[in-house]
Amino acid sequence: DVKVTQSSRYLVKRTGEKVFLECVQDMDHENMFWYRQDPGLGLRLIYFSYDVKMKEKGDIPEGYSVSREKKERFSLILESASTNQTSMYLCASPPPGARSNQPQHFGDGTRLSIL
Amino acid sequence: KNQVEQSPQSLIILEGKNCTLQCNYTVSPFSNLRWYKQDTGRGPVSLTIMTFSENTKSNGRYTATLDADTKQSSLHITASQLSDSASYICVVSPYNAGNMLTFGGGTRLMVKP
Repeated sequence: DVKVTQSSRYLVKRTGEKVFLECVQDMDHENMFWYRQDPGLGLRLIYFSYDVKMKEKGDIPEGYSVSREKKERFSLILESASTNQTSMYLCASPPPGARSNQPQHFGDGTRLSIL
Repeated sequence: KNQVEQSPQSLIILEGKNCTLQCNYTVSPFSNLRWYKQDTGRGPVSLTIMTFSENTKSNGRYTATLDADTKQSSLHITASQLSDSASYICVVSPYNAGNMLTFGGGTRLMVKP
């Protein structure tokens, strides 16, 4: 069974800290995505990656960066955490190919609180 | 801007009853429309995926319909169970957008005994 694993389910950090959220997939997929989910707003794309060392900005990249050093791992970095980054963060990995009619597989999310 | 609007925002039904969740979208053209179920504290899990040429897709007690002319989709849940309590998210994949998706805000369903 396919698996997307996020390293932390819950995380509490302080304003100004540098925060790392980790995501690992075991499907050998090229594609990996980071979303944040806020009540009533739906999932919004932060960054995505189509290959190792490759990254593209999504809809809301400000305040975030990413790292993809290995195919299976995609890290989201909050350079200097702020309270408005308190949210649920979801990692996803869709199968390869454009216009794929196969589902994206999501991790269980990291609920991040910035105090 | 492409949008996906879901209604109602929340819904409470009694166990065993049927319900229908609505999704209206402006994404056009689109490649496929998906419904996901998200349990509290978990990631979304795919229920159905329909291409623009399909108008119905079932997955057990879940049946999704699609009317591409009116840009509406619905998710019908039959004989609800307590385990159906979750958020249901409508997601549209724009044509030629690869793996980029447009998400609705979700409908939160609570099934009570």
